[in-house]
Amino acid sequence: RKEVEQDPGPFNVPEGATVAFNCTYSNSASQSFFWYRQDCRKEPKLLMSVYSSGNEDGRFTAQLNRASQYISLLIRDSKLSDSATYLCVVGGGGFKTIFGAGTRLFVKA
Amino acid sequence: DTEVTQTPKHLVMGMTNKKSLKCEQHMGHRAMYWYKQKAKKPPELMFVYSYEKLSINESVPSRFSPECPNSSLLNLHLHALQPEDSALYLCASSQIQGTSRGANVLTFGAGSRLTVL
Repeated sequence: RKEVEQDPGPFNVPEGATVAFNCTYSNSASQSFFWYRQDCRKEPKLLMSVYSSGNEDGRFTAQLNRASQYISLLIRDSKLSDSATYLCVVGGGGFKTIFGAGTRLFVKA
Repeated sequence: DTEVTQTPKHLVMGMTNKKSLKCEQHMGHRAMYWYKQKAKKPPELMFVYSYEKLSINESVPSRFSPECPNSSLLNLHLHALQPEDSALYLCASSQIQGTSRGANVLTFGAGSRLTVL
């Protein structure tokens, strides 16, 4: 089993749609959780950290369920500019940050 | 604009060449990282430096040699590379892990795209 597993992509959605990405992690001792966004041929950039209480940033909502070792990202009112690869990232303590394989999102007009 | 600067942006080298990739950050971060990313794959950790000392080497072949001259600079020296080493090499930095929620948040540079002929 991979340490961090994400929904297989790609997701093709129309503008304005709501889309949800899921991610599971295997190490119950993991301490930090993030969603990064990576545009084609660019570097990953932090989208949001994920906290047990859940957190929201505009159209983006992230949730963490430690009991189920599950992380989610919800994007509401999708924009064309949301098209990217979304990487689920889990910190296991120390400096080992494990990246999921990523989920590609295409938002169409 | 990225706060982690990598040079060069593109590098083409032969298998017998010696070259270096450079990374600089001025965010006061004391952890710096090298990642390798192949097309359509996630970044893979290579090395981590904390307080200018090598903390993690993910069993990287010795043809890759990291160096951290000071808290702002990180180099990756390349020698006798193979064509399969062609990839995007990403430098990142972060605060040292602690109780801060900002700890371990990685800030990446734009990367150096390496082609080995």
